Amino acid sequence: VQLVESGGGLVQPGKSLKLSCSASGFTFSSYGMHWIRQAPGKGLDWVAYISSSSGTVYADAVKGRFTISRDNAKNTLYLQLNSLKSEDTAIYYCARKGSANYFDYWGQGVMVTVSS
Amino acid sequence: DVVMTQTPVSLSVSLGGQVSISCRSSQSLVHNNGNTYLSWYLQKPGQSPQLLIYKVSNRFSGISDRFSGSGSGTDFTLKISRVEPDDLGVYYCGQGTQYPLTFGSGTKLEIK
Repeated sequence: VQLVESGGGLVQPGKSLKLSCSASGFTFSSYGMHWIRQAPGKGLDWVAYISSSSGTVYADAVKGRFTISRDNAKNTLYLQLNSLKSEDTAIYYCARKGSANYFDYWGQGVMVTVSS
Repeated sequence: DVVMTQTPVSLSVSLGGQVSISCRSSQSLVHNNGNTYLSWYLQKPGQSPQLLIYKVSNRFSGISDRFSGSGSGTDFTLKISRVEPDDLGVYYCGQGTQYPLTFGSGTKLEIK
């Protein structure tokens, strides 16, 4: 199992960014996937979930601003980040959902910095 | 939201020793289906978190039997026996019983 995030960077407040998570080593279409973030020096903060059938759930802090999606043909998970705020600055990890609601494999993370 | 409270914030242990980390939830983590979705993760310095334990006491693939989880309802414990240098890092508990999924604030393990 391998998960590789990309798309991070420095972005101004109010702007947008799209993160990608490329999956390999398992049948991507059969698994739910999560995004979790970690602000610098802080703990883990769950962001969003998409099921294998593309049902979605969001944390209140990002609802209406972030959109999780997937392309099973490309084995890729996405996170569209709109109306970014300074408090969205964090490392963003994609993670696979285990047989229950836990995260069995994690990517290496991608840094998003929101600053003017 | 379910609040997860971990104690202690940090601890120091000698190699070969044993430690326990406590995790308490503000609500019962027993799901309607009877399962309890409490998991433990270790984030080693400079790395992404890795799964250690799921559903309270099940060790993930490849995890040493030096790691054990226990508890029920709202009180849970992770025990690490025969501590090794590679065990250092921050340990997090997490609940998967209800959305939003939440984590404890972490326990930093240092080796004396």
